Amino acid sequence: DQQVKQNSPSLSVQEGRISILNCDYTNSMFDYFLWYKKYPAEGPTFLISISSIKDKNEDGRFTVFLNKSAKHLSLHIVPSQPGDSAVYFCAASGGTTSGTYKYIFGTGTRLKVLA
Amino acid sequence: SAVISQKPSRDICQRGTSLTIQCQVDSQVTMMFWYRQQPGQSLTLIATANQGSEATYESGFVIDKFPISRPNLTFSTLTVSNMSPEDSSIYLCSVDNTGTSQYFGPGTRLTVL
Repeated sequence: DQQVKQNSPSLSVQEGRISILNCDYTNSMFDYFLWYKKYPAEGPTFLISISSIKDKNEDGRFTVFLNKSAKHLSLHIVPSQPGDSAVYFCAASGGTTSGTYKYIFGTGTRLKVLA
Repeated sequence: SAVISQKPSRDICQRGTSLTIQCQVDSQVTMMFWYRQQPGQSLTLIATANQGSEATYESGFVIDKFPISRPNLTFSTLTVSNMSPEDSSIYLCSVDNTGTSQYFGPGTRLTVL
């Protein structure tokens, strides 16, 4: 059961334009949603997160939107730069019955920004 | 954020052997996680390692195959035991104190022949 889904395995965008990466989830109990960027041979890098009680969070060129009714979140990158080319993972975190929490990751979207 | 290092960064191992991966954090953290990323796939949580308690394993992962130690709040190890080619993967440790953000180490790329 894939609780966090990224249905687009890849995306190509021209430099300077907007990149929109999408993510869907099934569990309404998630507390936080996060986006990570991953370059080859490196660990994922945290980009931006949003609490389940908000619908938008912005940090520089990155904005995350959350639509709880649709169980959908998106990451907007404006303007896109060639250095943004990487694999982007969305993740959701929530509590467990043991009182801890854990993260569920999507399958990733490979973004390519064309110069 | 936290600075996380992993050793080794990569290794090539023979079938049937074991490899222990170390994860060191520059600050004390409550929760440490171990993930696996197989080629072309997402990050799959292996287990959650809290200091002072047994690691909590996800479905499909067992302690005999992936024993974990967490001797203090800045260090953890993951052992991949009795390896087979199917264990070839990138193994990542991560840390989190709040449930709102998680920081990853650079990963260990394991190839099993």
